[in-house]
Amino acid sequence: AQSVTQLGSHVSVSEGALVLLRCNYSSSVPPYLFWYVQYPNQGLQLLLKYTSAATLVKGINGFEAEFKKSETSFHLTKPSAHMSDAAEYFCAVSGRGNNRLAFGKGNQVVVIP
Amino acid sequence: KAGVTQTPRYLIKTRGQQVTLSCSPISGHRSVSWYQQTPGQGLQFLFEYFSETQRNKGNFPGRFSGRQFSNSRSEMNVSTLELGDSALYLCASSLGQEKNSPLHFGNGTRLTVT
Repeated sequence: AQSVTQLGSHVSVSEGALVLLRCNYSSSVPPYLFWYVQYPNQGLQLLLKYTSAATLVKGINGFEAEFKKSETSFHLTKPSAHMSDAAEYFCAVSGRGNNRLAFGKGNQVVVIP
Repeated sequence: KAGVTQTPRYLIKTRGQQVTLSCSPISGHRSVSWYQQTPGQGLQFLFEYFSETQRNKGNFPGRFSGRQFSNSRSEMNVSTLELGDSALYLCASSLGQEKNSPLHFGNGTRLTVT
């Protein structure tokens, strides 16, 4: 079974500062990894996904993530936080060959002006 | 292209009742998945349908069921509601032919059980 761990439910970042959200995965097979964002009263929007084509994945809104097999990690970064980045972020994993996602507990990002 | 549409947005039900939630996927998408989101348990997979067949199922009791119609629209049903069923229920669609094709989520149905 696949699972992901996100540490620190709430993350505060100053506007203009680096955003770093950590995700570690556990999978018995090569995983597919995803980052989703959820704004209040909305569903989840895909930020980016890793499917083994490249270890550094660029997504929407200036976010990117790097797959590191040796560290079983898929951390999400953005060089400069914007007020509009305030939302909840979820890391997710699925095994190859199915659409069943296992989500982390999420990180609530607060951007301080 | 219209996104995933879930109806209704809000529902209030009483313990013991049953409820049906509806999901219309993006045009051309044949896979529909359902997730439950609660503050305590987070996002949990309920089931996935593809071409009217249940392709995957999560660890929920039999009170939770679903189906998919020939036009790919899907419904999920919860019978004998319990207080713990209060949650945001999210539907997601994808092309489905390529497994692990990205999921597109609707805005959810917020169910409150009193």
